[in-house]
Amino acid sequence: DSGVTQTPKHLITATGQRVTLRCSPRSEDLSVYWYQQSLDQGLQFLIHYYNGEERAKGNILERFSAQQFPDLHSELNLSSLELGDSALYFCASSVDSGTNEKLFFGSGTQLSVL
Amino acid sequence: GDSVTQMEGPVTLSEEAFLTINCTYTATGYPSLFWYVQYPGEGLQLLLKATKADDKGSNKGFEATYRKETTSFHLEKGSVQVSDSAVYFCALSDLGMRFGAGTRLTVKP
Repeated sequence: DSGVTQTPKHLITATGQRVTLRCSPRSEDLSVYWYQQSLDQGLQFLIHYYNGEERAKGNILERFSAQQFPDLHSELNLSSLELGDSALYFCASSVDSGTNEKLFFGSGTQLSVL
Repeated sequence: GDSVTQMEGPVTLSEEAFLTINCTYTATGYPSLFWYVQYPGEGLQLLLKATKADDKGSNKGFEATYRKETTSFHLEKGSVQVSDSAVYFCALSDLGMRFGAGTRLTVKP
């Protein structure tokens, strides 16, 4: 058990809808990262938050947004969903924001857009 | 930007065989390099890391050496076990950890 909790584990929705994925990092971690894993794109970095502030953006679509709350949990919002958004979404956390940091991954949220 | 390229999979080996999974990187600076492993139904876990040139990371019998001259960080294990069956990801530290495509390893008894 990594100590990182993601909910829900599975989500099935329809095109055009909006969903929210939730991540609770380990208690000692200030950084939260979001990744999208799909068969064709592999593991893509979406966004990084550190102590409530956005630190870096990767391949995140404009239809997607995220935030990190004062209690350090994070939410990833996906809107106007398309079939191609179906993927496994991972959250990871680390103590700090440095480049040597070990990431602790949650078990992921499997999103299916029908 | 910085990126990582891994050898294509899948890789199928017999138990006790030698394993090599190739990884090369492109970076403007001097990133830290990592290998992560993903077991079925789970998130990724750090396997090993190296933070500078010529460093060797090792864990659970796996090793990888940071080679700046060849921009490589190949993963090796002398004798694989069935329990090593998983997907292995090479990664480098950048603005957000950048991962390779992953290599699926299956070890048969």
